[in-house]
Amino acid sequence: DAGVIQSPRHEVTEMGQEVTLRCKPISGHDYLFWYRQTMMRGLELLIYFNNNVPIDDSGMPEDRFSAKMPNASFSTLKIQPSEPRDSAVYFCASSLGRGFVYFGEGSWLTVV
Amino acid sequence: KQEVTQIPAALSVPEGENLVLNCSFTDSAIYNLQWFRQDPGKGLTSLLLIQSSQREQTSGRLNASLDKSSGRSTLYIAASQPGDSATYLCAAPPTSGTYKYIFGTGTRLKVLA
Repeated sequence: DAGVIQSPRHEVTEMGQEVTLRCKPISGHDYLFWYRQTMMRGLELLIYFNNNVPIDDSGMPEDRFSAKMPNASFSTLKIQPSEPRDSAVYFCASSLGRGFVYFGEGSWLTVV
Repeated sequence: KQEVTQIPAALSVPEGENLVLNCSFTDSAIYNLQWFRQDPGKGLTSLLLIQSSQREQTSGRLNASLDKSSGRSTLYIAASQPGDSATYLCAAPPTSGTYKYIFGTGTRLKVLA
């Protein structure tokens, strides 16, 4: 398997623009996690899905953030409108049940 | 609320040394505990997973132990190599509430040749 695939790898956007991050989990995995990593706050769980259903979105910073998982092979994290403080690395990860968690390479977001 | 702490924050050792990284968690009722490695500019790679009913797991030169009663896990790296240089993170989802992996802040390891 190709592992967890994220796109784009790098994005630079202007404040106020909409940003969409994409994730393809490992085939067959039933858990999908979105994390954000910054120097100040480390790794923060934003939201996770189980069998395509959002289970816990308590880590989503505010209404500007939204996530969807329309099917088992695709998820998006959207920020609208983006702000400079959203600059971070966003990771998608997946697991089969409560087993090993596999991370993607991350999407490096810079909002200027 | 689960809190995960890793000590030390950074560690520098000469090649060949055996070393121990520590992970503490406040909620001992956990599903499992995982140790990850993160190289600069990369995602995380899962190294070891210890189920709540297990005491330790081994993979090559790595050995992880789990003591739920004290809220601790250790990652032992034998005969360290420069290629082991990375940040090591642990994460433990508590059984209360939803299945949330809460990460520690990591230990940044540098193995000197």
